[in-house]
Amino acid sequence: EAQVTQNPRYLITVTGKKLTVTCSQNMNHEYMSWYRQDPGLGLRQIYYSMNVEVTDKGDVPEGYKVSRKEKRNFPLILESPSPNQTSLYFCASSRRERHNEQFFGPGTRLTVL
Amino acid sequence: ILNVEQSPQSLHVQEGDSTNFTCSFPSSNFYALHWYRWETAKSPEALFVMTLNGDEKKKGRISATLNTKEGYSYLYIKGSQPEDSATYLCAFYNQGGKLIFGQGTELSVKP
Repeated sequence: EAQVTQNPRYLITVTGKKLTVTCSQNMNHEYMSWYRQDPGLGLRQIYYSMNVEVTDKGDVPEGYKVSRKEKRNFPLILESPSPNQTSLYFCASSRRERHNEQFFGPGTRLTVL
Repeated sequence: ILNVEQSPQSLHVQEGDSTNFTCSFPSSNFYALHWYRWETAKSPEALFVMTLNGDEKKKGRISATLNTKEGYSYLYIKGSQPEDSATYLCAFYNQGGKLIFGQGTELSVKP
């Protein structure tokens, strides 16, 4: 089954404790992206990657890191999480051509205390 | 940050009503306009991707139009059903590779 998976789905952590949210897709997509969703603010792009070893900042990259060492994986790293990073996070992938739809993962609900 | 505006923010209609929402986006550096449907507790799913001025797309009772010169797209739902209740998101793809989402229109259809 073609899908985007994220782990964990739910996470409660404390300020300053490094964490990684994994994202993996099995559709051989070149483009992958991370978004956060906050009430009243819609989906905001954190980072995106057009292909392996190529990453670019979205609109809200501060406090996040990503890497794209393999085509299928695009982990999101929070080196020192803070409470303002409490949010719902979505990973998505698509074929590189920008007229192709994004396929979204199931979301990760993160709470930073 | 480029602004993508959607209106209205929310809409409450009766079953059988037809409805439409608007997505406004920058008319410069346009590459594509996406529409997604997002049900509560699920992930957004693509409805349409449009790239050409004057594009019209249709999927069942849902259709969309695109005007890239003036920077807007309309989404229409004919004969709304309760299962159409969801948040409808539009997203603007510029030529740099960023995908900018609007805040969405939350549709509630009452039986």
